[in-house]
Amino acid sequence: QQPVQSPQAVILREGEDAVINCSSSKALYSVHWYRQKHGEAPVFLMILLKGGEQKGHEKISASFNEKKQQSSLYLTASQLSYSGTYFCGTVSYYQLTFGKGTKLSVIP
Amino acid sequence: DVKVTQSSRYLVKRTGEKVFLECVQDMDHENMFWYRQDPGLGLRLIYFSYDVKMKEKGDIPEGYSVSREKKERFSLILESASTNQTSMYLCASRYRAGTEAFFGQGTRLTVV
Repeated sequence: QQPVQSPQAVILREGEDAVINCSSSKALYSVHWYRQKHGEAPVFLMILLKGGEQKGHEKISASFNEKKQQSSLYLTASQLSYSGTYFCGTVSYYQLTFGKGTKLSVIP
Repeated sequence: DVKVTQSSRYLVKRTGEKVFLECVQDMDHENMFWYRQDPGLGLRLIYFSYDVKMKEKGDIPEGYSVSREKKERFSLILESASTNQTSMYLCASRYRAGTEAFFGQGTRLTVV
């Protein structure tokens, strides 16, 4: 089952902030976040592990609520380069399952 | 740098043909995945493999099979291609659970 992402799409002006949410009905081992630009492969942003460990880019922040099986990605002071589709991936057992994505557009 | 290579960027096949999509990674990763990507549906997991010769069904395995005879190679097989299998297919690999996944560039398959 795919995790549920919200919102489906968001438009920001440069410098604005955004939050993308991800929730799952399964108990999770970890949550991944990726960004995909048009015509390109998804690129890793961050992984959040059960127990609080995080690995990823310094400019990206995220949270993982293990009990609620939810994660949020925080994009602050957005830049034009942040545009793309963001996917959360949830890991249960070995299976890495992605949501339908959130399309983020940053405009000048 | 980790490299995940898919054999073709674009492929056109006829209905009923047997189709092989190949994926090779060069970093000794244990886990490999096949996804299909369709507009509005995100990335849907077809099959994954957590080790050589091991495979597990994902969310949409019908009409597909996989093979992993060597650690670096994970093949997706469409036994009898149908038009509803026209899609972008993405392969990914990761060292093990708890590590980031790396994606190939994708294969856009068109079944006519």
